[in-house]
Amino acid sequence: AQSVTQLDSQVPVFEEAPVELRCNYSSSVSVYLFWYVQYPNQGLQLLLKYLSGSTLVKGINGFEAEFNKSQTSFHLRKPSVHISDTAEYFCAVSSYIPTFGRGTSLIVHP
Amino acid sequence: GAGVSQSPSNKVTEKGKDVELRCDPISGHTALYWYRQSLGQGLEFLIYFQGNSAPDKSGLPSDRFSAERTGGSVSTLTIQRTQQEDSAVYLCASSLVSSGRADTQYFGPGTRLTVL
Repeated sequence: AQSVTQLDSQVPVFEEAPVELRCNYSSSVSVYLFWYVQYPNQGLQLLLKYLSGSTLVKGINGFEAEFNKSQTSFHLRKPSVHISDTAEYFCAVSSYIPTFGRGTSLIVHP
Repeated sequence: GAGVSQSPSNKVTEKGKDVELRCDPISGHTALYWYRQSLGQGLEFLIYFQGNSAPDKSGLPSDRFSAERTGGSVSTLTIQRTQQEDSAVYLCASSLVSSGRADTQYFGPGTRLTVL
């Protein structure tokens, strides 16, 4: 069994400020880790993923995430956000079936 | 190449009617998934296909829900005797599978189902 916990349902932040969206997971088997983004009125798309190798992964639009095996975390970060980053962000873990978190709504204020 | 497509994009139906939702995955993707997304909720897993077989149907909410996949390609999700709680966006995704794990999910635009 596997599960994903996104600790914050909503994260408000001002433009150009740094942001961290938290994700913790549990799994009894080795998994892949993902962050997906859903912009308003659009479908889900991949932001970044960790399959193996370097624990720091970089994705689109300046986002990065770090896999921490001991803390079973995969937090998403961006050093300076833009208004256009306002969206719903989903963390997911994947064995043969992906399990998604409930999502974090990132709201960037001018 | 083309992405994942779903039809219809919107469906409004009356309580008690049957509906059929269609998903056309990316060519060559052996794995296909159906999810349900309700307002303010995450993605609820419904069913998974590997080729034409469905090794995991554990997410189907009731026996009113069924799905099939033919030719390792197109899939249909059927909801019989729809109820108001079935109203949601139904998402389809396809992926490759490596080392027994699902890789990147490519999502369709979804079908917004409204049951009156």
